[in-house]
Amino acid sequence: DAKTTQPPSMDCAEGRAANLPCNHSTISGNEYVYWYRQIHSQGPQYIIHGLKNNETNEMASLIITEDRKSSTLILPHATLRDTAVYYCIVIRGGSARQLTFGSGTQLTVLP
Amino acid sequence: NAGVMQNPRHLVRRRGQEARLRCSPMKGHSHVYWYRQLPEEGLKFMVYLQKENIIDESGMPKERFSAEFPKEGPSILRIQQVVRGDSAAYFCASSPKSNTEAFFGQGTRLTVV
Repeated sequence: DAKTTQPPSMDCAEGRAANLPCNHSTISGNEYVYWYRQIHSQGPQYIIHGLKNNETNEMASLIITEDRKSSTLILPHATLRDTAVYYCIVIRGGSARQLTFGSGTQLTVLP
Repeated sequence: NAGVMQNPRHLVRRRGQEARLRCSPMKGHSHVYWYRQLPEEGLKFMVYLQKENIIDESGMPKERFSAEFPKEGPSILRIQQVVRGDSAAYFCASSPKSNTEAFFGQGTRLTVV
């Protein structure tokens, strides 16, 4: 599975959009981009995933560049409860087995 | 529609005792994954099971750890003769198929004293 690179931390003002970047320059054709988050000490929470098209659900939007070498998770109106570590994970074939959680991005939403 | 249920949420064991962690997957999910998170570290995959079968146990320590997912009942992660280094949060996840997103439980925090 391709390696991902994320900034270690980001701040965002409450009510504003949070844009979390992820680089995955070695991604291959059948690898999906998944996003999970972990709010302090809780179980990881699935957010969204995509292959090559942009995706949107009730939680977030996922923008994948045309060359698929990077992506951005967008939380449109961040709240204090969105403070968490966000993980960008690339998985071959979209399989949920062997998710590899790296260091992620600690997002802090400020009041 | 209950999520993935893990129990107990907190478990304290003395060194040398056995720890049994239970995981009930979401309704309709037949694929279960166990992960471990050591203090101040990321989650690490341990084992992947599908009803009555271990599909991938490449992340399981070779000794003292075992997992099962019987035809009826929850998945069980069993740690025999626990040591202080086993103290961690153990998370279970489930999915309806092997190639779909997995949903995690709230974890069991094991403390070995």
